[in-house]
Amino acid sequence: DTGVSQNPRHKITKRGQNVTFRCDPISEHNRLYWYRQTLGQGPEFLTYFQNEAQLEKSRLLSDRFSAERPKGSFSTLEIQRTEQGDSAMYLCASSLTQPLAKNIQYFGAGTRLSVL
Amino acid sequence: DAKTTQPTSMDCAEGRAANLPCNHSTISGNEYVYWYRQIHSQGPQYIIHGLKNNETNEMASLIITEDRKSSTLILPHATLRDTAVYYCIVRVRGDGGATNKLIFGTGTLLAVQP
Repeated sequence: DTGVSQNPRHKITKRGQNVTFRCDPISEHNRLYWYRQTLGQGPEFLTYFQNEAQLEKSRLLSDRFSAERPKGSFSTLEIQRTEQGDSAMYLCASSLTQPLAKNIQYFGAGTRLSVL
Repeated sequence: DAKTTQPTSMDCAEGRAANLPCNHSTISGNEYVYWYRQIHSQGPQYIIHGLKNNETNEMASLIITEDRKSSTLILPHATLRDTAVYYCIVRVRGDGGATNKLIFGTGTLLAVQP
């Protein structure tokens, strides 16, 4: 088990460009979460998938943000027309829906986005 | 999910026990207390969780007061690698809908001093 993998680790982009991040969850984890973290703050929930179904989206997820998990495995988070306020660490987590799994979320190392 | 209150920062000497407090006075009967930590430039890492009874694992111990309004995370022999932000989170340990997300506060920055 290699853990949750996120790519790229760092992304620098110019304002107005589109960016896409990828998350590969732990194998067989059916739940996948995206969070955003700005400097000095704890992570904030963005959205959550169970298998391929997106079950919850935060109000933080504006129309410029879209997330997909097409086959219930990896997920992508796309930000269109990036703004400087989108600069943050984007974290992905996964978990397993089984009682013994204790509903523990396992996090990746994150993708740090800098919008210039 | 209930709100938690933690001190902003704490210091601990290397090799000594680190005791990190958390207040959750509005916790409901079916809400668990979870602790995660985040070492600089890494994603959060699960430490331990509990409902009513004290819990211990290879990383830490969790002491929950009888009225469940507060808890303490104990790192028995802190090392420099334990320097991190520690988050106390209360949530329902269920499988339905909105209860699956973690709501992080700003946590406690634990600085372990040599």
